[in-house]
Amino acid sequence: KQEVTQIPAALSVPEGENLVLNCSFTDSAIYNLQWFRQDPGKGLTSLLLIQSSQREQTSGRLNASLDKSSGRSTLYIAASQPGDSATYLCAGGNQGGKLIFGQGTELSVKP
Amino acid sequence: GAGVSQSPSNKVTEKGKDVELRCDPISGHTALYWYRQSLGQGLEFLIYFQGNSAPDKSGLPSDRFSAERTGGSVSTLTIQRTQQEDSAVYLCASSPRLAGITDTQYFGPGTRLTVL
Repeated sequence: KQEVTQIPAALSVPEGENLVLNCSFTDSAIYNLQWFRQDPGKGLTSLLLIQSSQREQTSGRLNASLDKSSGRSTLYIAASQPGDSATYLCAGGNQGGKLIFGQGTELSVKP
Repeated sequence: GAGVSQSPSNKVTEKGKDVELRCDPISGHTALYWYRQSLGQGLEFLIYFQGNSAPDKSGLPSDRFSAERTGGSVSTLTIQRTQQEDSAVYLCASSPRLAGITDTQYFGPGTRLTVL
C-alpha cells in the first residue's frame, strides 16, 4: 500500500530564501509524482508533474526531482516570495491515475 | 476555458439526511476523480471514472457513499444517512487521460460539507 510522507509539516522562511520541500513514498512502482499548491479555503493547483521515467521537471522558480529507487521527491523553490505562502502537497499516482497524497507542508514566506 | 466546477460550494445538513454533491469536469476530459479532505485524514481518494469503464470504487469509505457519472460528463456523489464524520471538503478533479499517459489532474474548488 502506497504511503506518502512530507517533511517538514510547516516551514517559515524570510523572503528571498531558496528552500526545499521533501516528499517520500513507500512504493517505488508509482507512475508519476505530482506537486500541488493549496491556498486556504481553495482547491488544488497543479505545479509540476514528473512521469516515472523522468528525473525532474522545472517551471519558473520551481524545480521538482524524482528518485524512484530511494522513494523520494523534492520541490525546490528559488528566491521565495510572500505570494508563495501556501500548503504544498505531493501525491504519488498509480497506473489508473489514482493519487495518494502526503499531509502537506505549510509554507510561510515572511516579507 | 472553464475549469472544473462543483456545487454547492457549502452544504450544511443534519445527521441522517442524504446529500448530493455535483461536479462538472473540464469539457473533453475522460477521467473524473473524487477526493475527500478532512482535518484528521488529509486528502483521500474516493472514486475514479474513466470513459465507459467500470469505476474504481476502492476508496469509498462505506456503502452509504455512491457516485455516478452521466453521459461521460457530470458526476454526482451521493452520501446517504450522513454522519458527523462525513464532514469534510469534497474535491473533484478531471484529466484528459490520454492513452498510455498518466497526466495532470485539474481540481475544482470543492464542496465543504458540514453534518450537524
